Amino acid sequence: NAGVTQTPKFQVLKTGQSMTLQCAQDMNHNSMYWYRQDPGMGLRLIYYSASEGTTDKGEVPNGYNVSRLNKREFSLRLESAAPSQTSVYFCASNGQGKYEQYFGPGTRLTVT
Amino acid sequence: GDSVTQMEGPVTLSEEAFLTINCTYTATGYPSLFWYVQYPGEGLQLLLKATKADDKGSNKGFEATYRKETTSFHLEKGSVQVSDSAVYFCALSDEAGSYQLTFGKGTKLSVIP
Repeated sequence: NAGVTQTPKFQVLKTGQSMTLQCAQDMNHNSMYWYRQDPGMGLRLIYYSASEGTTDKGEVPNGYNVSRLNKREFSLRLESAAPSQTSVYFCASNGQGKYEQYFGPGTRLTVT
Repeated sequence: GDSVTQMEGPVTLSEEAFLTINCTYTATGYPSLFWYVQYPGEGLQLLLKATKADDKGSNKGFEATYRKETTSFHLEKGSVQVSDSAVYFCALSDEAGSYQLTFGKGTKLSVIP
């Protein structure tokens, strides 16, 4: 099992450009999450999907959109990137009735 | 709302020293508690967990006890190694049924030979 995979690993964008971060899990998990990690801020939840076909806002959703494409895949889109979105982005998932989340390796995004 | 407070870092220890990283929480009800570890350049991994009061979670020589009376879940290890250098996150579950986690800000540990 690959667990949770994320692409790309690194990305540099110019202000105003758009991009989509991809996440996939092969553990048949129902719930998936997108976090951002910034120095001194810990992990902050951007969006989550409790099950296929549903998405909800987390703590810091502004400037982002998500798509739960199917049970395996959950993508995060930046429509018009801003320097404040420079961060490390993590995708995570957990199974039905389970609190333990499994994390991907992260995407390091720099917006100039 | 729920919150987690953990000691500020960074923490620097010599190899074989005793480690304590403090974690306290605020929550309604009876959450489950977790410690996650993030090694350099990697995602977070579950280190240990405890699901009810007085439970002790343990893994790889690390331990933490769920103390309801002090709303704490301090992480301890008797003898740290260089390979334990990482960022440690305390987290609690959301009892509302959405299975979300609330994370502390993380504590960076550096162990020097």
